Amino acid sequence: AQTVTQSQPEMSVQEAETVTLSCTYDTSESDYYLFWYKQPPSRQMILVIRQEAYKQQNATENRFSVNFQKAAKSFSLKISDSQLGDAAMYFCAYRRKFYGGSQGNLIFGKGTKLSVKP
Amino acid sequence: DTEVTQTPKHLVMGMTNKKSLKCEQHMGHRAMYWYKQKAKKPPELMFVYSYEKLSINESVPSRFSPECPNSSLLNLHLHALQPEDSALYLCASSARDRVSEAFFGQGTRLTVV
Repeated sequence: AQTVTQSQPEMSVQEAETVTLSCTYDTSESDYYLFWYKQPPSRQMILVIRQEAYKQQNATENRFSVNFQKAAKSFSLKISDSQLGDAAMYFCAYRRKFYGGSQGNLIFGKGTKLSVKP
Repeated sequence: DTEVTQTPKHLVMGMTNKKSLKCEQHMGHRAMYWYKQKAKKPPELMFVYSYEKLSINESVPSRFSPECPNSSLLNLHLHALQPEDSALYLCASSARDRVSEAFFGQGTRLTVV
């Protein structure tokens, strides 16, 4: 069974600084997807960034980038130029690819609560 | 339209009440999900519907009854709930044959009194 581990329950960053959130996962599959979701107090889970396992290039979305180390099964999120609006719970998630009748439900880590100090 | 709409946003119900949660999406997604989320915890999968058929039930008590009347709509019928069922209930949808991210609704905050 696949598992996702986020070892940092809470993190704090100064506004405009850079912070890295850690995530490791365990799987025996070679092809899958990894995601970082953000959940602010408004409750809605918002996709921050995604990575396809067969792509070696690290995904980037504006101020958000990942360091994907497939062999080490590591998937960290870097937030540059942190803003007050980045304060939220961040969940790392794994999803297997669909093949035939399989279902691609998400497997979540326990989350990291990020605080941004002005 | 990349929205998943959940209603109501808040619900308070007694242990003898019957209520329903509703989820709607118009992205053509054929997989839809119900998750339960307790405070400061990750979402826990409850049910998965694929092409309007229930494909996964994560051993959820029968007081929760899902229904998928069509490809855009997902309901969760609630009956005889317990106070420990109080939580945020999230609906999500995703494309089935080309995997993409799951899109989530804003959730229904349920309180059982």
